[in-house]
Amino acid sequence: SSELTQDPGVSVALGQTVKITCQGDSLKRFSASWYQQKAGQAPILVINSKNNRPSGIPDRFSGSSSGNTASLTITGAQAEDEADYYCNSRDISGKHLWVFGGGTKLTVL
Amino acid sequence: QVQLVQSGTEVKEPGASVKVSCKPSGYIFTSYYVHWVRQAPGQGLEWMAIINPSDKRADYAEQFQGRVTLTSDTPTTTIYMEISGLTSEDTAVYYCARGLYYDSFRIYYDDWFHPWGQGTLVTVSS
Repeated sequence: SSELTQDPGVSVALGQTVKITCQGDSLKRFSASWYQQKAGQAPILVINSKNNRPSGIPDRFSGSSSGNTASLTITGAQAEDEADYYCNSRDISGKHLWVFGGGTKLTVL
Repeated sequence: QVQLVQSGTEVKEPGASVKVSCKPSGYIFTSYYVHWVRQAPGQGLEWMAIINPSDKRADYAEQFQGRVTLTSDTPTTTIYMEISGLTSEDTAVYYCARGLYYDSFRIYYDDWFHPWGQGTLVTVSS
């Protein structure tokens, strides 16, 4: 089955830009979606696999991809963006199997 | 608005089974697949399984095959996730989330997890 790799932790100064990456072979075939999870809360979708933001997600969040790497960029990070971020894609086989990355803990300094 | 509401906290003994419910609303129940995701304490998200409420077919991650069963009840518009043979390693928060849908040409859309249920904590302890 596929695997998605994320850096365990990333930090960013308040108001600066940060890029969180996700690598995996499945991303050559399927686009990634991104989820934010704050402490004690359920995850929420921040970027879908069309690189669009759901209603209510600030436009400082954006997604991109190249080859086997997908990226979530936060332009002008805010204190409330401190959270865990997970990428997800379908398994490279195309079967009804999905996989999450291990998650990236974002710290806003 | 679309929302998924899950059943409450469960405490079970090792070896028992647990059945968690997920009730979507705000859309046509049989139109979208529903995923289940597990999160052990202090750990990341782990995809478990997906069900099509229309034909009730489910697919499972290999590590859950044979021990997890997803069912769907159309009259009550409720999805169920049952785990048998519980061990302490099954202690986790379990989430349901709306997934993709297929059109009549078998082309899929909205292949993401949105929205999510609030989560159900299952504690396995003697």
